[in-house]
Amino acid sequence: KNEVEQSPQNLTAQEGEFITINCSYSVGISALHWLQQHPGGGIVSLFMLSSGKKKHGRLIATINIQEKHSSLHITASHPRDSAVYICAVIFTGTASKLTFGTGTRLQVTL
Amino acid sequence: EAQVTQNPRYLITVTGKKLTVTCSQNMNHEYMSWYRQDPGLGLRQIYYSMNVEVTDKGDVPEGYKVSRKEKRNFPLILESPSPNQTSLYFCASSSDDYGYTFGSGTRLTVV
Repeated sequence: KNEVEQSPQNLTAQEGEFITINCSYSVGISALHWLQQHPGGGIVSLFMLSSGKKKHGRLIATINIQEKHSSLHITASHPRDSAVYICAVIFTGTASKLTFGTGTRLQVTL
Repeated sequence: EAQVTQNPRYLITVTGKKLTVTCSQNMNHEYMSWYRQDPGLGLRQIYYSMNVEVTDKGDVPEGYKVSRKEKRNFPLILESPSPNQTSLYFCASSSDDYGYTFGSGTRLTVV
């Protein structure tokens, strides 16, 4: 069965902390996406990965294809990073269809 | 600006009254899709379209229709809405090179 699991479900951090959110998937994929959803509801695509590592500002995303695992790191976290982070994958052979994890709710406090 | 425009943002309607949520993209993407988001269930795909006149069911298509007459537009139609279709809806378009772009969402309440 094609499944995506994220951990942790909820995460509270203090400003400045280094944060890691994990995503595991069950079978081969063609791409993995990290999405951010703020309390207002809109969804923004942060990264699209098929191998290796990508960095954008304080955000870093890595993927290990052999281990079927990806991580999203936030360095020097800030209260504006508070959001739900969603991992979504395109399983091999499913065209462009996204299968979503259940999300990680991050709250960064002062 | 590259974007997916979804309307309306908020809609309250009554059971059985047909409605359409519009979705338009300006990036010339071939792939477009609709999702609903419910507490505890996350995001689930309703319908998708690989190109003009090519549409197919996602995971939760019951009670919904779509059409793709032009590349830029992909409306979601609820012929006879019911309260269990109360949800937050997102339209998205994508390309292999640039990934996904999501609309701002439509919060639908069916009473």
